Amino acid sequence: AQSVTQPDIHITVSEGASLELRCNYSYGATPYLFWYVQSPGQGLQLLLKYFSGDTLVQGIKGFEAEFKRSQSSFNLRKPSVHWSDAAEYFCAVGGTGKLIFGQGTTLQVKP
Amino acid sequence: DVKVTQSSRYLVKRTGEKVFLECVQDMDHENMFWYRQDPGLGLRLIYFSYDVKMKEKGDIPEGYSVSREKKERFSLILESASTNQTSMYLCASSLKGTGKAEQYFGPGTRLTVT
Repeated sequence: AQSVTQPDIHITVSEGASLELRCNYSYGATPYLFWYVQSPGQGLQLLLKYFSGDTLVQGIKGFEAEFKRSQSSFNLRKPSVHWSDAAEYFCAVGGTGKLIFGQGTTLQVKP
Repeated sequence: DVKVTQSSRYLVKRTGEKVFLECVQDMDHENMFWYRQDPGLGLRLIYFSYDVKMKEKGDIPEGYSVSREKKERFSLILESASTNQTSMYLCASSLKGTGKAEQYFGPGTRLTVT
């Protein structure tokens, strides 16, 4: 079955520290992979996406993600977190027009 | 600028009422989607539409119906609202294609059924 797992429901990091949010997927075909961010009271905004090619993709707001086929993972990273990064982050996989979303990871940033 | 708007940010309805949630996009997108968002469950697809007057069930269609009479508008209908339909509802749209198209989301409607 197709699925996306975000193992960490809640993560707290200090401002300026590095961040890695985990995402594992199960998908029968070549996956298209997405990371979205949802700020409080807002809809979802696309951070980055991977379709093919270079397995390290750059996104907006200084985020990047690495696709590892052997591990079925697409982890999101940021070298230095800012207080404004506090939000909920969703990993998603698709291939037919529909997306399957993970459960989400809530990021809290400590001053 | 790309825009998906939803008719209400907050809505309070009584059990048994018929509820309409409206979504409008101005990007001439073929695909439109309705999701339900609940804590710990992420986003779950209720219904989607690839074209006017066309609809397909998502993962949790029970208790919901949809209408797409015009390309830009996609409505979600709760025929008889129940308390277990209290949730955040998100609308999205995208260009048609093979799945590479980014989905653009509206701000959401937080529905409370009492």
